[in-house]
Formats: sequence, structure tokens, C-alpha cells
Amino acid sequence: DTAVSQTPKYLVTQMGNDKSIKCEQNLGHDTMYWYKQDSKKFLKIMFSYNNKELIINETVPNRFSPKSPDKAHLNLHINSLELGDSAVYFCASSQEGQPNTEAFFGQGTRLTVV
Amino acid sequence: AQSVAQPEDQVNVAEGNPLTVKCTYSVSGNPYLFWYVQYPNRGLQFLLKYITGDNLVKGSYGFEAEFNKSQTSFHLKKPSALVSDSALYFCAVRDYNAGNMLTFGGGTRLMVKP
Repeated sequence: DTAVSQTPKYLVTQMGNDKSIKCEQNLGHDTMYWYKQDSKKFLKIMFSYNNKELIINETVPNRFSPKSPDKAHLNLHINSLELGDSAVYFCASSQEGQPNTEAFFGQGTRLTVV
Repeated sequence: AQSVAQPEDQVNVAEGNPLTVKCTYSVSGNPYLFWYVQYPNRGLQFLLKYITGDNLVKGSYGFEAEFNKSQTSFHLKKPSALVSDSALYFCAVRDYNAGNMLTFGGGTRLMVKP
């Protein structure tokens, strides 16, 4: 069983479009995250979200917005896509209040904006 | 603010030789330290973690890491490298005072040659 799953795995789209990436976890975790991995493989946190609090990395443009229909899902919406948004986006989850536990990651979504 | 540094972009080692991938960290409170591995076109897989206790932590695939508080380091090691160990390795830190988010180092590419 896949613990953290993301769809789609690949996404190619034109500049200016709006797109969404879906993420689901079946681990019963209450905190989910989105990370961006750029072309140099550097991983940067974008959002941390549980049912109480959304923590946004201040460097993330407001064109990016997380939406959580329930505790098991955290989708990433991106408006007005730009060339610089091309990257691999990873969803992850962990249990709040247990910083000694590892986070589990999805397989990533490779977004290419043309 | 918490931070992680991986001073080497790439580490080259011959198969059968010991390997070390370096990591240093900075946190305000007690550190929770993690190593993840990323194979090509894959997500991040958890290798091992340091929470408390013994400074030498053993993890998956024969890897281990040594926590050194005075040097604020958490180097990843393996006594005998395999070609299949070739991948991208990330060190990460979580400071509970800063929330549950993992902060990653820049990654180190490990190349094991036959």
C-alpha cells in the first residue's frame, strides 16, 4: 500500500494556466507538507498544514495555495503558472507533536511549464 | 532558525570501500536529525534518524550515522559501499521549537564505482 501518493506524476502545461496536484496519505497523520525541489535538487519547504494551522514559507508566491478537503488530503493549486514554477513537487506527511518521527514522502510530481 | 549544511556536492568512492557523507546542522533547541536517500526519478526514502541516546545510529541498507554534539555534525557512513548505493543523499533537521517542518541540506550525490 502506498503511504503517500501524488497525482499526476508528470504535468506539462503552458504558461498562464492554473493547475492542481493532488496528495493523499493513508498513514493517519495529521500534518502534511509540500516541498519544491528545483533543478539543482535543493528541497525547500512550501507549506505545512494540519487541521489547526497553515504555515506558509514566506518566499512562496501567493499564486500557490494548499487546499485540504480532509485530514488525509492536501492538494496544491497553482494559478497563472510561470516558467520558473517548473520543478518537482513533493508531498509529505508526519504526525504532529512527534518531532522524533520521520516524515513520509510521495513519489513527486514533475511540473514542466512551457 | 534551523539550518543544515552538506559541504560536498558529490562524493566518489570505489565499491567495497567505506563511505562518509558529511552533514552539519544548526538549531536553537534539541535537534532531531534524519537522513533520506533519493534514487533517480523517485521520492525520498527514510534511512535513519537520531533522536536521543547512542550517538551511533544504525539504519536501512547497512547505513549508519554518528551524532556529534560538540561538532554539530551527523555524518552518514557505511563500511563497504555498493554500486547500488549511488544516489542523492539528504540530511535534514527538525527543531521542535520551529514546528514539525524538516529543513534539508542541499544534498550530496554519492557515486560508487565498480
